[in-house]
Amino acid sequence: GDSVTQMEGPVTLSEEAFLTINCTYTATGYPSLFWYVQYPGEGLQLLLKATKADDKGSNKGFEATYRKETTSFHLEKGSVQVSDSAVYFCATWGNNRLAFGKGNQVVVIP
Amino acid sequence: GAVVSQHPSRVICKSGTSVKIECRSLDFQATTMFWYRQFPKQSLMLMATSNEGSKATYEQGVEKDKFLINHASLTLSTLTVTSAHPEDSSFYICSARDGGQVEQETQYFGPGTRLLVL
Repeated sequence: GDSVTQMEGPVTLSEEAFLTINCTYTATGYPSLFWYVQYPGEGLQLLLKATKADDKGSNKGFEATYRKETTSFHLEKGSVQVSDSAVYFCATWGNNRLAFGKGNQVVVIP
Repeated sequence: GAVVSQHPSRVICKSGTSVKIECRSLDFQATTMFWYRQFPKQSLMLMATSNEGSKATYEQGVEKDKFLINHASLTLSTLTVTSAHPEDSSFYICSARDGGQVEQETQYFGPGTRLLVL
């Protein structure tokens, strides 16, 4: 079935640094792709999404481009803030359900 | 925005007891609700999908007699972990789909329930 793979391990970086979290997908077709964010003590929130190849999702300074040629949907932000500290999940929609990656803990240090 | 609540946020119980977790959509009608389980440093694993007024559809490997799901109204679904054992300790998350939205992909997530079975 459709699935996504996120890079291993937590990410620790300084405020105003550039953030990249890698996500690649495996699918038979071209499913919608998502990034969800989970702030401490809260539920998952949809951060951004893209529904077809070359689409770019963006929100709160975060961006991700649906790249068919590399089957990727990497999340980027040019200048992170302490408030961006959270767990980020890549996900894909297929077979009437969301399939999530393992998530990446992002810690932004002042 | 759409809000989904879960209760309790955390629960500790003795082995052999049953625990009920509630998932409520606060400002929309949830025709479909999903229950996930998340182990430490692991992905969210879908356990079951429930549609209001009908039986839940369980994922392969999930015991339906162990994890009872009831979706009796458009704003409430419950997950009951029966005869809980330490291996059932986990983080349980629900999500709900707004029946008024055309997009099936849009789901709103609850904050999760941490279950610890001693």
